[in-house]
Amino acid sequence: AQTIHQWPVAEIKAVGSPLSLGCTIKGKSSPNLYWYWQATGGTLQQLFYSITVGQVESVVQLNLSASRPKDDQFILSTEKLLLSHSGFYLCAWVRDRDEQYFGPGTRLTVL
Amino acid sequence: SQWGEENLQALSIQEGEDVTMNCSYKTYTTVVQWYRQKSGKGPAQLILIRSNEREKRSGRLRATLDTSSQSSSLSITGTLATDTAVYFCALRTNSAGNKLTFGIGTRVLVRP
Repeated sequence: AQTIHQWPVAEIKAVGSPLSLGCTIKGKSSPNLYWYWQATGGTLQQLFYSITVGQVESVVQLNLSASRPKDDQFILSTEKLLLSHSGFYLCAWVRDRDEQYFGPGTRLTVL
Repeated sequence: SQWGEENLQALSIQEGEDVTMNCSYKTYTTVVQWYRQKSGKGPAQLILIRSNEREKRSGRLRATLDTSSQSSSLSITGTLATDTAVYFCALRTNSAGNKLTFGIGTRVLVRP
């Protein structure tokens, strides 16, 4: 069975500090992977997607970057956090053509 | 941007009642998905309906799709307190990377 993990579960960071969030998929080779951001009480906004190792496409520019260093790993990062980066970050993978499965998420608070 | 939209944003109902939430959209899509998100968790897909389907059922869930009016609905019959969640419709738009565009969501509170 495929499983998706995200780390950390939650982060509290200062404005201007760096950030790195991770996502790992187990039990699925070469998955399509996605990063989403969700403001508190808001909808989900797709940020990045990746089809293969080393390839990442940006959907929305939020002063964030993403990388796919391994087949089963997707990283979201920034060198300088903004207050507006606060929210819930979700990683997802595509089981088949249309069904996306989400991880448990990382809650980020920027102070 | 092209976003799906829910017409109702918050509902409070008694356990056992039925509930229907709607989603209207402005962009072409071949797939509408409904997701449920419980507090503090990632969304979970409930039902997927394609443009060649008018209705789809899964347990207590029923989704409809009307491509002529560009609208979809999700109904839950015999609600339970555990159905309390935010429900999103999501559209697969025909852009690269299997992009999903989510609606604003409908918050459903089922009172026991």
